[in-house]
Amino acid sequence: DQQVKQNSPSLSVQEGRISILNCDYTNSMFDYFLWYKKYPAEGPTFLISISSIKDKNEDGRFTVFLNKSAKHLSLHIVPSQPGDSAVYFCAASARGLRGTSYGKLTFGQGTILTVHP
Amino acid sequence: NAGVTQTPKFRILKIGQSMTLQCTQDMNHNYMYWYRQDPGMGLKLIYYSVGAGITDKGEVPNGYNVSRSTTEDFPLRLELAAPSQTSVYFCARFSGRDHEQYFGPGTRLTVT
Repeated sequence: DQQVKQNSPSLSVQEGRISILNCDYTNSMFDYFLWYKKYPAEGPTFLISISSIKDKNEDGRFTVFLNKSAKHLSLHIVPSQPGDSAVYFCAASARGLRGTSYGKLTFGQGTILTVHP
Repeated sequence: NAGVTQTPKFRILKIGQSMTLQCTQDMNHNYMYWYRQDPGMGLKLIYYSVGAGITDKGEVPNGYNVSRSTTEDFPLRLELAAPSQTSVYFCARFSGRDHEQYFGPGTRLTVT
């Protein structure tokens, strides 16, 4: 049972345009969501996050939107740059019975973003 | 490497062999994690630790063991390697804020 799903394996965008990466989740206990970026032969690097009490978080060119009723979040990159070409992972964290998740993350399958010059 | 070091970078094992993947952090944080990433898939949690001497299973622990004798080190042990354990293994530590984790560069393991 995949609790975090990224249904688009790949996305191709022209430089300067907007990239929109989508993520759906099924577990209502998830209360924190993160986006990670991964280049080949490197570990994932943190990009941006959002708490379930918010519906939007911005950091420079990156904005994450959360729609709790739809159990859906999206990452917007504006404007897209060739250096943004990477695999993007959506991840989620759920509070356990004792009120802490110990930071454990559940990841989606990833979306390969290619930004063409 | 966000303060997380992994060795080796690459390894080829024969079926039935054993090995230890090493992970060291330099930030003295209690929470550490091991994930594996199969081709075209997301990362799956193998084991995690919330402090020296305290470890617990994640989503896919079968075939692996861990220990945490110090805050800095969190090795992952494969006792009887199987082809299904061919994967890229990532160690991570908690950043201390906002559920963010810092990942090491990974170990690419092939079992043949």
